[in-house]
Amino acid sequence: GIQVEQSPPDLILQEGANSTLRCNFSDSVNNLQWFHQNPWGQLINLFYIPSGTKQNGRLSATTVATERYSLLYISSSQTTDSGVYFCAATPYSGAGSYQLTFGKGTKLSVIP
Amino acid sequence: NAGVMQNPRHLVRRRGQEARLRCSPMKGHSHVYWYRQLPEEGLKFMVYLQKENIIDESGMPKERFSAEFPKEGPSILRIQQVVRGDSAAYFCASSPNGPSMTEQYFGPGTRLTVT
Repeated sequence: GIQVEQSPPDLILQEGANSTLRCNFSDSVNNLQWFHQNPWGQLINLFYIPSGTKQNGRLSATTVATERYSLLYISSSQTTDSGVYFCAATPYSGAGSYQLTFGKGTKLSVIP
Repeated sequence: NAGVMQNPRHLVRRRGQEARLRCSPMKGHSHVYWYRQLPEEGLKFMVYLQKENIIDESGMPKERFSAEFPKEGPSILRIQQVVRGDSAAYFCASSPNGPSMTEQYFGPGTRLTVT
């Protein structure tokens, strides 16, 4: 099945700083999503982005499907951005094409 | 439009009891997925269902676990004779179409604790 790798595994930011999270995937995808798991454990949908670029407030994401990676940008970070960010993908075909395969996540801590 | 709803949000069961987790998909969504997040592990796919049909259960443990999505009512994930290793967060997701080229919307999860 598809492999999804995220980097860095941990990230500590001063409030107000910017950051870039990376997600590499091993196969062509027809679904790629970014999530934020907050400290209470809830999974929040951030972006559905199998290709292209999207922006939502201080967050933006870019997926370069031909090179098999996606980036999540967080600008002017706030303490409420803390949590774990997951990337998940569904391969275009073959084994696992019904399911989202998740990376291990990037744990972000934003300190005041 | 209400999001994906899961209940209960927290469930405590003693070893050997049964756990029933419910998921109501978003309005108009007929595709449901269940995922499990074990402590210190990532999120893993369990099962994909459409109304009255199991499409892919390749991630379900072979014993004690079952899932259904009846014509009427929520999807149910059932765990019989729970053991401590079943303690985890169980997430349900739904989509309006099949998993190809469509976003999956996640519910808030059910946190199962087995004592």
